[in-house]
Amino acid sequence: QKEVEQNSGPLSVPEGAIASLNCTYSDRGSQSFFWYRQYSGKSPELIMFIYSNGDKEDGRFTAQLNKASQYVSLLIRDSQPSDSATYLCAVNRGSGFQKLVFGTGTRLLVSP
Amino acid sequence: EAGVAQSPRYKIIEKRQSVAFWCNPISGHATLYWYQQILGQGPKLLIQFQNNGVVDDSQLPKDRFSAERLKGVDSTLKIQPAKLEDSAVYLCASSSRGPASPLHFGNGTRLTVT
Repeated sequence: QKEVEQNSGPLSVPEGAIASLNCTYSDRGSQSFFWYRQYSGKSPELIMFIYSNGDKEDGRFTAQLNKASQYVSLLIRDSQPSDSATYLCAVNRGSGFQKLVFGTGTRLLVSP
Repeated sequence: EAGVAQSPRYKIIEKRQSVAFWCNPISGHATLYWYQQILGQGPKLLIQFQNNGVVDDSQLPKDRFSAERLKGVDSTLKIQPAKLEDSAVYLCASSSRGPASPLHFGNGTRLTVT
């Protein structure tokens, strides 16, 4: 079992729709969770992080965390073609210091 | 705030040759990471430094890869000798202390081994 699992996609949604990206992790001791966006040929850039159960909203993005189910998700409302990218889920397995483990990413395609 | 600086951006070498990459983290960031990202995969941690000490190098192929972070600031990653499967993007990242501190990535070095 991989430490962090994501569906590689592509996930195709029409412009204006909600895109739902999912991630599961294996280590119950994981403390914090990050979503990064990576455009083709570019480096990952942080979208948001979450460390408490429940929802965290930032603009069009909502991260959801369920530690009991070991599940993290990212919702993108009003999806735009510019949101087309690979979304990487990262899980921090460290305690005193960060130890980020990344999933393989989900490719999102938003069609006009 | 200046970002994470990496060089070179691209490198093409033949197998069995050696190569070195350089990284300068964001000023004040104690933690520095080297990740390897093969096309179509997520970044894989090679080595993590806290100041100038190694905290995790469990996935570093130590027979051919080496890394150092002198004086707790910039870092170099070396591959000697390179293999075809080392073709990847090598990402350097840095972060400040704390379990929720985000990683800031450099632009990466795209290595092609022929």
